[in-house]
Amino acid sequence: EDQVTQSPEALRLQEGESSSLNCSYTVSGLRGLFWYRQDPGKGPEFLFTLYSAGEEKEKERLKATLTKKESFLHITAPKPEDSATYLCAVHWVSQGGSEKLVFGKGTKLTVNP
Amino acid sequence: ETGVTQSPTHLIKTRGQQVTLRCSSQSGHNTVSWYQQALGQGPQFIFQYYREEENGRGNFPPRFSGLQFPNYSSELNVNALELDDSALYLCASSLAPGATQPQHFGDGTRLSIL
Repeated sequence: EDQVTQSPEALRLQEGESSSLNCSYTVSGLRGLFWYRQDPGKGPEFLFTLYSAGEEKEKERLKATLTKKESFLHITAPKPEDSATYLCAVHWVSQGGSEKLVFGKGTKLTVNP
Repeated sequence: ETGVTQSPTHLIKTRGQQVTLRCSSQSGHNTVSWYQQALGQGPQFIFQYYREEENGRGNFPPRFSGLQFPNYSSELNVNALELDDSALYLCASSLAPGATQPQHFGDGTRLSIL
């Protein structure tokens, strides 16, 4: 069973068409949730960290929010340069006390001009 | 500020061979983590190094091993290469050990096994 699920797998938007990406998780004892952006042939680029339900972070056209079991990455009036794969990663502590960091498979976003 | 750099960028090996991948951490970062990213998947945690010691390991066999040097740079070694080892190998550095700090990634080494 996947512990971190991102949806949709792929999303096509027209420039200016706002939307949201979802990251849901089944783990308990969340320590933090990270959002990254990954361009083709590049490593992931850090965007946000969220630590508790109700927290929000913003950067340019992106806003990340966190609830008890999921996070949303809202993209307002996207531009073609926002096209990338967006990854979320969940940090938690297992029952055995070890720290875990698990990435989702990502959402591939394409913004057409 | 110098970012995370990895070498080589691409590598082709055959089954059974051994490979060493290298990583220089971002300046000021003392912790290095390694990840394997298969095509269409998210990165999978291999292990983390802090103060030249392994500080956590994912579900990877012992033929995946690593080193960290006093200047915080790191190596990933993989022995007895298998076809399934074909992937992008990412190195990430952070300000402190554990997973609380954001990871800052290099652009990876693309490893192909024939």
